[in-house]
Amino acid sequence: GQQVMQIPQYQHVQEGEDFTTYCNSSTTLSNIQWYKQRPGGHPVFLIQLVKSGEVKKQKRLTFQFGEAKKNSSLHITATQTTDVGTYFCAGQGNQFYFGTGTSLTVIP
Amino acid sequence: GAVVSQHPSRVICKSGTSVKIECRSLDFQATTMFWYRQFPKQSLMLMATSNEGSKATYEQGVEKDKFLINHASLTLSTLTVTSAHPEDSSFYICSARDWTGSEYEQYFGPGTRLTVT
Repeated sequence: GQQVMQIPQYQHVQEGEDFTTYCNSSTTLSNIQWYKQRPGGHPVFLIQLVKSGEVKKQKRLTFQFGEAKKNSSLHITATQTTDVGTYFCAGQGNQFYFGTGTSLTVIP
Repeated sequence: GAVVSQHPSRVICKSGTSVKIECRSLDFQATTMFWYRQFPKQSLMLMATSNEGSKATYEQGVEKDKFLINHASLTLSTLTVTSAHPEDSSFYICSARDWTGSEYEQYFGPGTRLTVT
């Protein structure tokens, strides 16, 4: 069946370093969404990408949707301790799937 | 941003009983709500899509007779776990979809921790 995988599963970075998580789908997605979940919290919607090759920015966060609409990435520039949490992608294929998540730890 | 509430936040029930979880959109009308379950340190699994005034659409492998969903109004969807068993213990999260005028955004509730003893 369709799967949405994310890599890496865990990432530890020093505060100030950059961070990237990659999301890959086995099939084409009509859209992709990104969420952040803080430890003990619920997912918070960050952004939705719809167009092939689309790039969107939110302050230090840059989101990309691949040309083939099967992969996506989230890049954080100069991480801060407030960036700690698990980042999930989620995409609409023949069903709506959440990715496996990337847990980010930022070391002060 | 928009607010979605869930009630209760935690519930403990005995095996064989039923539990109802409510999901409310507090400051917008949601024609579509979603129900997920999340196991510890794992991703969310979409269980079903709840559409106001019509039957819910269940994802493959989710028993519709066990997880009853009702979306009776534009601000309320309920999930009833019937004849609960210990393996139903999980974190259940709802989300509601809001049309911003140019695109949809999803807002998640705080979740309900269900423990079946």
